[in-house]
Amino acid sequence: GQNIDQPTEMTATEGAIVQINCTYQTSGFNGLFWYQQHAGEAPTFLSYNVLDGLEEKGRFSSFLSRSKGYSYLLLKELQMKDSASYLCAVWDSNYQLIWGAGTKLIIKP
Amino acid sequence: GAVVSQHPSRVICKSGTSVKIECRSLDFQATTMFWYRQFPKQSLMLMATSNEGSKATYEQGVEKDKFLINHASLTLSTLTVTSAHPEDSSFYICSARTTGGDTDTQYFGPGTRLTVL
Repeated sequence: GQNIDQPTEMTATEGAIVQINCTYQTSGFNGLFWYQQHAGEAPTFLSYNVLDGLEEKGRFSSFLSRSKGYSYLLLKELQMKDSASYLCAVWDSNYQLIWGAGTKLIIKP
Repeated sequence: GAVVSQHPSRVICKSGTSVKIECRSLDFQATTMFWYRQFPKQSLMLMATSNEGSKATYEQGVEKDKFLINHASLTLSTLTVTSAHPEDSSFYICSARTTGGDTDTQYFGPGTRLTVL
């Protein structure tokens, strides 16, 4: 079956760095997404990786290793507003988005 | 980035009535639009996939006669919840897929919170 695993919850300190991991097993692969979702709101797009390597966008970076079925989202210089759920999702061979359950990130002062 | 809008953002209706939710891609043409449902503290559940000008493809367990989807143009898709009941109360989110050039991704609308009394 298709499966995406990510930690349920993580806690970090304001100003620090946190890495949220995601592993996947899907039927085919056409890219991996990271979305941020604040409580009560729709997800917002953070990143899309289809080739191996690290992509950096400001404070957020996303890494992909297709051979390992692994990705991570790296958040630097954490701010209180970064408290949210972070969803990992994979486009399978049919371009269907397969979702992880999300990682709730709690930022403490 | 690309913008997807949804209307209404919030709706309260009586049991047995029908509710229409619109999803628009504002600055791009969407080859495919998706409708999701999200229960509290749960991940998104795909309900159906729609391509402009063709019938929607529904996921297993989703009643196509209850959740009517019309993809009238490359920028507009509608979801109609027919004869709504309290168990249909949920957060409905649409997304639109854009392709071409360097962009190939899926953007989400802000969601519609439906409450059925």
